[in-house]
Amino acid sequence: GAGVSQTPSNKVTEKGKYVELRCDPISGHTALYWYRQSLGQGPEFLIYFQGTGAADDSGLPNDRFFAVRPEGSVSTLKIQRTERGDSAVYLCASSLGGTLNTEAFFGQGTRLTVV
Amino acid sequence: DAKTTQPTSMDCAEGRAANLPCNHSTISGNEYVYWYRQIHSQGPQYIIHGLKNNETNEMASLIITEDRKSSTLILPHATLRDTAVYYCIVRVGNSGYALNFGKGTSLLVTP
Repeated sequence: GAGVSQTPSNKVTEKGKYVELRCDPISGHTALYWYRQSLGQGPEFLIYFQGTGAADDSGLPNDRFFAVRPEGSVSTLKIQRTERGDSAVYLCASSLGGTLNTEAFFGQGTRLTVV
Repeated sequence: DAKTTQPTSMDCAEGRAANLPCNHSTISGNEYVYWYRQIHSQGPQYIIHGLKNNETNEMASLIITEDRKSSTLILPHATLRDTAVYYCIVRVGNSGYALNFGKGTSLLVTP
């Protein structure tokens, strides 16, 4: 596709449930990032993939959060036992490489609401 | 990690130049300065980046001081569609090259 695609665009789930958020990066981009944005705040880094492997997962808040990218393209962010504090917009970005001199392209995000 | 400091908000009249400042006094020699913006309800959009030379593209100009401790993003002829939150980011090389967004500057372009 022309840009980074995220599905669903909105997700409402009950506290305690499991959710999966999907990201389709720009074709050929090896680097993929997940961010979380709470209301009134800037995006907060969660995890970075270079190819299939998670090169940096230091931003994941706890072990309820997990992300995969099994074939080096599509990525899924998985949240177990959701809590109301997980409500936020989850943003995915991709870039051609993970070096300092590349720009990242963001998707429109998935708005997650935990009720 | 080098931190950035930006004003919380700014106003600019349509058609005038918008000059958005950013301080990054602890920047190290191999860290780039990036600017992104986020229009309401959209994902962040890349604007421009630089290391030490001034840069210009079709969207904006980036002026970096000689000591690299501060920079200014210039939108030469602001339009209403430039109303957004602008983030000045120092690219953090030892954190997976992720972007460390702060709270940014909320720019309001008025008619």
